[in-house]
Amino acid sequence: QSALTQPRSVSGSPGQSVIISCTGTSSDVGGYDHVSWYQQHPGKAPKLMIYDVSKRPSGVPDRFSGSKSGNTASLTISGLQAGDEADYYCCSYIGSFVLFGGGTRLTVL
Amino acid sequence: QVQLVQSGAEVKKPGASVKVSCKTSGYTFTGYYIHWVRQAPGQGLEWMGWINPDSGGTNYAQRFQGRVTMTRDTSFTTAYMDLSRLRSDDTAVYYCARLQSDWDDYYFDYWGQGTLVTVSS
Repeated sequence: QSALTQPRSVSGSPGQSVIISCTGTSSDVGGYDHVSWYQQHPGKAPKLMIYDVSKRPSGVPDRFSGSKSGNTASLTISGLQAGDEADYYCCSYIGSFVLFGGGTRLTVL
Repeated sequence: QVQLVQSGAEVKKPGASVKVSCKTSGYTFTGYYIHWVRQAPGQGLEWMGWINPDSGGTNYAQRFQGRVTMTRDTSFTTAYMDLSRLRSDDTAVYYCARLQSDWDDYYFDYWGQGTLVTVSS
């Protein structure tokens, strides 16, 4: 199975909103609601931001939200802050297998 | 508190094997699958497979079949990932991650700090 498709980069100014997409197929993103999103700062381990498409773990600001339509999941970050600048990865849990997206570099201008 | 602490960086020659450990604490080791994920320099995350610490059952990504072995020692609440016949493109940071799977939710809630494996002649 191929990696999920994400834009290589997105950018936005402080206070603005950005959307990062994650496109798969009906066999992964479209077929299951087990899509999660991870934030990774340079040299650090990934951190869970969203799970099961739209659920937010405790401690994650409500500026982060997730959704899904068909074979595409999306992560929306509103009220951009400098600390949001990082790489973001989507992940689809498919039974006994896992697929990651290629990652998106978010730049806060 | 839940912790996953991995072993230190390794430098290996092509053709050799490497074994990375993931020492867990703060929760019931046998209650959660451990997955391994790697990240080559400047690249994205790549899933390698999982181990069920309770049964020892495993499942590997197809591209690593035959080269990777995941094991665990329940007495030491530690999971291991062994990768053989190393090549230069195996140079990466290797992470262990705990899979949370309650109430039909599936996600990685805790990660190790990562172990850099460098393959160079």
